[in-house]
Order: sequence, then structure tokens, then C-alpha cells
Amino acid sequence: KQEVTQIPAALSVPEGENLVLNCSFTDSAIYNLQWFRQDPGKGLTSLLLIQSSQREQTSGRLNASLDKSSGRSTLYIAASQPGDSATYLCAVTLFSGGYNKLIFGAGTRLAVHP
Amino acid sequence: IAGITQAPTSQILAAGRRMTLRCTQDMRHNAMYWYRQDLGLGLRLIHYSNTAGTTGKGEVPDGYSVSRANTDDFPLTLASAVPSQTSVYFCASSDSALTEAFFGQGTRLTVV
Repeated sequence: KQEVTQIPAALSVPEGENLVLNCSFTDSAIYNLQWFRQDPGKGLTSLLLIQSSQREQTSGRLNASLDKSSGRSTLYIAASQPGDSATYLCAVTLFSGGYNKLIFGAGTRLAVHP
Repeated sequence: IAGITQAPTSQILAAGRRMTLRCTQDMRHNAMYWYRQDLGLGLRLIHYSNTAGTTGKGEVPDGYSVSRANTDDFPLTLASAVPSQTSVYFCASSDSALTEAFFGQGTRLTVV
């Protein structure tokens, strides 16, 4: 059974710091891995999608890497800002039981203070 | 660009009542999903549809039903609501397993 774990569960940093969020998964037979952002009381916003054949993706100050063989992904946020405060979720896509499943981690709650 | 629209945004419902949560997407995606999000349990899949005309059960389907009469709409029905169905419900869609999944803004449902 695929399990997705995110470490740390919560993180509080001063503005301007570079930070790394971690995601690990137990089964490497995935199609892709996706990082989402969720603001309180809101839906999920897709940040980055990494296909299983790719090693990393970049969007602005965000960089996500994928090491499928070791079952790990990291989301790197450069020069953090208070507006980055949110919960970050990673999810892997795999085919199981007749459909494409998105399996989510529990998330990392990030607070960036001025 | 609307993406995925869910309605209502929130609802308080008496136990035993029937309720349909609406979900519409304008991206012509094949696959659609319903999740519930609960504190401490994360996001759990209720039902899915790989394409119009087909549906299937996810991890927590009991007490819920869905239909997929066309590509754009994927309503979720609670036949007789119970307090344990109090949750935030998210509808999502994707074109295929290889593409991004997009989520609606959620429906906050309270069953009393």
C-alpha cells in the first residue's frame, strides 16, 4: 500500500530564509508527483508537477526534485516571504484498483514571519 | 477561466436529509474525483470517474453516490446525511494520469 509522508509537519521561519520541505513515498511505481499549496479555508492550488521520468521542475522561487528510486521529493523555496505561509501537500499518482489514484501526504504547515 | 466550480460553498444540513454537492469543470478533463478532507486524516478519495458514463468507488464511498452523465458535471449525493459526514469536500479533475490535477474551492458541510 502506497504511503506518503511529509516532514516536518510544521515549520516556522523568518522572512528571507531558504527552506526545504520533504516528501517520501513507499512505492516507486508512480506516474508523477505533484506539490500543492492550500491556504486556510481554501482549495488546493497546484504548484509543480514532476513526471516519473523527470528529476526536477522549477517555477519562480520554487524548485521541486524527485528521486524515484529512493522514494523522495523535496520542495525548495528560495527567499521565503510571509505570503508563502500556507500548508504544502505532496501527492503521488499511481494506477491501482482500476483507476488513477492521487495519494496525499498529511502536509507541512509553513509560517513565514516578517 | 473558471476551472472547477463547486456549489454550495458551505451548508448546514439536518441529519437524515438528502443533499447533492455540485461540481462542474470547463477544462474537458476526462477524470473527475471527489475527496473529503478531515483534520488528522488528510484527503481521502470518495468516488472517481475515469470518463463520462463511468464511476467507481474510492477509499470511503459508504453513504455517498455519484453520477457522470457528461464530461463537465460530477455531482456527489448524500442520500441520508449523518454527523460523521461533516467535512470539507473537494472536487478535482485531471486530463490523464500524466497531467496536473486541479481542485475546486471546496464545500464545507456540517451535518447536525
